[in-house]
Amino acid sequence: AQTVTQSQPEMSVQEAETVTLSCTYDTSESDYYLFWYKQPPSRQMILVIRQEAYKQQNATENRFSVNFQKAAKSFSLKISDSQLGDAAMYFCAHQGGSEKLVFGKGTKLTVNP
Amino acid sequence: DTGVSQDPRHKITKRGQNVTFRCDPISEHNRLYWYRQTLGQGPEFLTYFQNEAQLEKSRLLSDRFSAERPKGSFSTLEIQRTEQGDSAMYLCASSQGTSGTNIQYFGAGTRLSVL
Repeated sequence: AQTVTQSQPEMSVQEAETVTLSCTYDTSESDYYLFWYKQPPSRQMILVIRQEAYKQQNATENRFSVNFQKAAKSFSLKISDSQLGDAAMYFCAHQGGSEKLVFGKGTKLTVNP
Repeated sequence: DTGVSQDPRHKITKRGQNVTFRCDPISEHNRLYWYRQTLGQGPEFLTYFQNEAQLEKSRLLSDRFSAERPKGSFSTLEIQRTEQGDSAMYLCASSQGTSGTNIQYFGAGTRLSVL
């Protein structure tokens, strides 16, 4: 069974600075997807970025980028130029052959002005 | 396209009562998913549908839980004889189901409190 581990329950960053959120996963599958979702307080989960395991190039979306290390089963999220609106719970998730997403426990990100 | 819609947003019920939640997916999305999220945890998969067929169910989905998607559009999740341990946020998501673009879009959830 797949597992996803987020070892940082909470992180904080100063506005305009850069922060990296960690995620490791375990899977026996060779073909899978990895995701970072953002969940603001009392609001719905929003996709931040997606990585296909067969692609070696790290995904980027504007200020968000990932460091995907397939052999190490590591998938960290880097947020550059942090903004107040980035404050939220961030969840790392894995999707293999089954349709279901397997989520980590989340990291609460605080952005300080 | 109004996104994934869930109703109600909040539900308070007494232990032993039955509750039903509704999810309306993004139109033309043929896959629909239910997840449960408890405080301090990430969402956990419950079940998913492709059109009206329920293709996978988690062991978390006890006999008291039943989900339907009768016409392949909206879905309902019913919990019978609710227990305090059922208190959680119930999330619905939908996806287009096209190979390579199976991104799940989430609704705002239904928060259930069982007293």
